[in-house]
Amino acid sequence: DIVMTQSPATLSVSPGERVTLSCRASQSVSSKLAWYQQKPGQAPRLLIYGVSTRASGFPARFTGSGSGTEFTLTISSLQSEDFAIYYCQQYINWPKTFGPGTKVEIK
Amino acid sequence: QVQLQQSGPGLVRPSQTLSLTCAISGDTVSSTSTAWNWIRQSPSRGLEWLGRTFYRLNWSTDYAVSMRGRITISPDTSKNHFSLHLTSMTPEDTAVYYCVREKAYFDSWGQGTLVTVSS
Repeated sequence: DIVMTQSPATLSVSPGERVTLSCRASQSVSSKLAWYQQKPGQAPRLLIYGVSTRASGFPARFTGSGSGTEFTLTISSLQSEDFAIYYCQQYINWPKTFGPGTKVEIK
Repeated sequence: QVQLQQSGPGLVRPSQTLSLTCAISGDTVSSTSTAWNWIRQSPSRGLEWLGRTFYRLNWSTDYAVSMRGRITISPDTSKNHFSLHLTSMTPEDTAVYYCVREKAYFDSWGQGTLVTVSS
């Protein structure tokens, strides 16, 4: 199975700050990389697919980048509604595996 | 816009079988461009894919290796839903269970069902 790792585990930030989350795959996933946002008590919600394509309803402050094994999710100016857990996931191989998540919390 | 509505019990006794159903609106279970998955989430295991069913020329299923022998995922075309059956439940199966639509990535999720395994 492809192992996905994420760093940091927790990020404490203030509203308005720029945030960078990292995701690494144990082998190349090409461009088959997605990000999900999960808020307390809710299901994960697709945020980005194909490394950099934003899903419906998400603003342009969310940007995905990377290729192969190293990926980044950037939030250009953190808003109050962005405090959540973010998961990366590869979908090139079965089983489709998730990272452990990065929690973005209020500083 | 697709919506997935889950139903089923929140409490299961050890050794019993979990049965959950996911009702689909805005899409069809027999679509040839999607697959229908069950994923669970727990603090110890994180997000864990369990299995899926999908229709192409015929019906197929894929299951996580760790679940084989215990899991059945089945479609019901007359009701446009799909179901999860997981036998021999133990406390380690306590988790939030989600039904999820797959279009390569997982683009639509049910609301989740917290399933607790306890006597």
